[in-house]
Amino acid sequence: NAGVTQTPKFQVLKTGQSMTLQCAQDMNHNSMYWYRQDPGMGLRLIYYSASEGTTDKGEVPNGYNVSRLNKREFSLRLESAAPSQTSVYFCASSEMGQGTTDTQYFGPGTRLTVL
Amino acid sequence: AQSVTQLDSQVPVFEEAPVELRCNYSSSVSVYLFWYVQYPNQGLQLLLKYLSGSTLVESINGFEAEFNKSQTSFHLRKPSVHISDTAEYFCAVRGTGRRALTFGSGTRLQVQP
Repeated sequence: NAGVTQTPKFQVLKTGQSMTLQCAQDMNHNSMYWYRQDPGMGLRLIYYSASEGTTDKGEVPNGYNVSRLNKREFSLRLESAAPSQTSVYFCASSEMGQGTTDTQYFGPGTRLTVL
Repeated sequence: AQSVTQLDSQVPVFEEAPVELRCNYSSSVSVYLFWYVQYPNQGLQLLLKYLSGSTLVESINGFEAEFNKSQTSFHLRKPSVHISDTAEYFCAVRGTGRRALTFGSGTRLQVQP
């Protein structure tokens, strides 16, 4: 049981390049989330997916797109990277649903630098 | 809307001393409250949570937090810290009926020998 896994662990991009961050969970959770972490700002929600086939914007969605490929996988895409997107990105998942505690479990993060 | 305030960005403390990390929140609905810990170069791990019932919740490694509805606070305490407690601690809130967590800006706990 690996929990939440993310690839890659590190990435350096040039301004304007595109890339996709991958996330997978093996806990059979319904909901998945993408956050970014910046110094002094805690974690901010980019997008989330309450269930397979649905996605919703979070607090800071501009410049990002997401795909809920299936119940296990939730990817985050940067179409044209900007230096302001330099951050650590965390994926999380939770059971979400009536009768659950909806605790979120986090992956190890992807450290992205945009030059 | 909901928000979380962690007033202390850094808390230095000597080993075996007590510590309190402060967390205040605001929300227009009832909330669930969480403390997460992040060790260097790692993801976030759930430390403890308040969902309902007893307002005092405890973790397996000696931390505790008390939900105070009148003061809208959820402060984290430990009576005697260890070097291994050095980490960043995040308070988070989720409104009932809401899907996502709102995090505070974090408090870096630095335990010195």
